[in-house]
Amino acid sequence: AQTVTQSQPEMSVQEAETVTLSCTYDTSENNYYLFWYKQPPSRQMILVIRQEAYKQQNATENRFSVNFQKAAKSFSLKISDSQLGDTAMYFCATDQTGANNLFFGTGTRLTVIP
Amino acid sequence: DTGVSQDPRHKITKRGQNVTFRCDPISEHNRLYWYRQTLGQGPEFLTYFQNEAQLEKSRLLSDRFSAERPKGSFSTLEIQRTEQGDSAMYLCASSSLSSTDTQYFGPGTRLTVL
Repeated sequence: AQTVTQSQPEMSVQEAETVTLSCTYDTSENNYYLFWYKQPPSRQMILVIRQEAYKQQNATENRFSVNFQKAAKSFSLKISDSQLGDTAMYFCATDQTGANNLFFGTGTRLTVIP
Repeated sequence: DTGVSQDPRHKITKRGQNVTFRCDPISEHNRLYWYRQTLGQGPEFLTYFQNEAQLEKSRLLSDRFSAERPKGSFSTLEIQRTEQGDSAMYLCASSSLSSTDTQYFGPGTRLTVL
């Protein structure tokens, strides 16, 4: 069975600083994808970044980057130069290759403080 | 805007009533997914369609729930004899066959059962 654990229910960061959100997961599959989704207050879920498990290179999207440690089953999200618009719930999710659904963690509520 | 749309955005109903939600996926996306998100939790998979075929259903989808995608475009999710435990955000997502791992979410329908 898949599990995704986000151990930080809430975090805060000063504007322009860097913050790292943690995520660990468990899967018996070798091929899978990992995702970070952002859900701003009262707005829809937006894909932030995705990582393919067979790729060793960490994914990067502008100010967002991941630290993917496959052996440790860890997938943390680093947000650099935090902006007020980054305030949101962040969900880590996994999708086994060939499966047809995303499996989500319980989320981390991030607040960027001006 | 050609993103995923859902209607209605909010629904308040009395216990025992039937409700129906609609989802319009991104144009030409073959796959459509339904998730349920309760307060403080990440989304949980309910069911998915490839074109008009419903190919997978979660154990969460009790007999009171039914989903359809009659022409492979929009989808409806009906809940019969609603219960207070059905109160949640119902999210729809879609993906293309060329990139099935990346799902794009709609804004959700928030259901409150009194």
